[in-house]
Amino acid sequence: SQTIHQWPATLVQPVGSPLSLECTVEGTSNPNLYWYRQAAGRGLQLLFYSVGIGQISSEVPQNLSASRPQDRQFILSSKKLLLSDSGFYLCAWDRTGRSYEQYFGPGTRLTVT
Amino acid sequence: EDQVTQSPEALRLQEGESSSLNCSYTVSGLRGLFWYRQDPGKGPEFLFTLYSAGEEKEKERLKATLTKKESFLHITAPKPEDSATYLCAAHGSNYKLTFGKGTLLTVNP
Repeated sequence: SQTIHQWPATLVQPVGSPLSLECTVEGTSNPNLYWYRQAAGRGLQLLFYSVGIGQISSEVPQNLSASRPQDRQFILSSKKLLLSDSGFYLCAWDRTGRSYEQYFGPGTRLTVT
Repeated sequence: EDQVTQSPEALRLQEGESSSLNCSYTVSGLRGLFWYRQDPGKGPEFLFTLYSAGEEKEKERLKATLTKKESFLHITAPKPEDSATYLCAAHGSNYKLTFGKGTLLTVNP
């Protein structure tokens, strides 16, 4: 069976500090990978998606970036955090092909102070 | 632009009181309609996929249905453990899912 991991689970960072969130998927190969942000009272906002190693597409211009150094690893980064970066960050995967359901990780709660 | 609207925003039921949640979508070339359950502080948990109008899926007390413009999540005789936020998402002709803001369901004992 497939499992998706995210860490850390919670993070409190000061404004201007760097960020690195990691997501890994087990039990599948060549998944599509996604980073979402969920703010209170708002829907899930797609930030980045990747269909393969080194292939990243950005949905929203911002100070965040993503990388996919390995097939089942997806990293979300920032050089300098803003207060507006606070939120619940979710990683998800699905299978390449037709419309398949996305499976989500447990999430990371980021608070920028 | 693809849009998904869920109603109501919040719903409070008594245990055993059946009801329905609505998901209206405007998506070009619907390829799939998804329902998720999300508990506080956790990632969404996949429930159902619906691909075409008239399709129905069931799981325990939940049944999802799909028309050309809407999807409904019917909850029969809910229990307190069914309390959660229920999210609807639509996959159109582009590569991504468009999510609604969710319905917060509270079931009182």
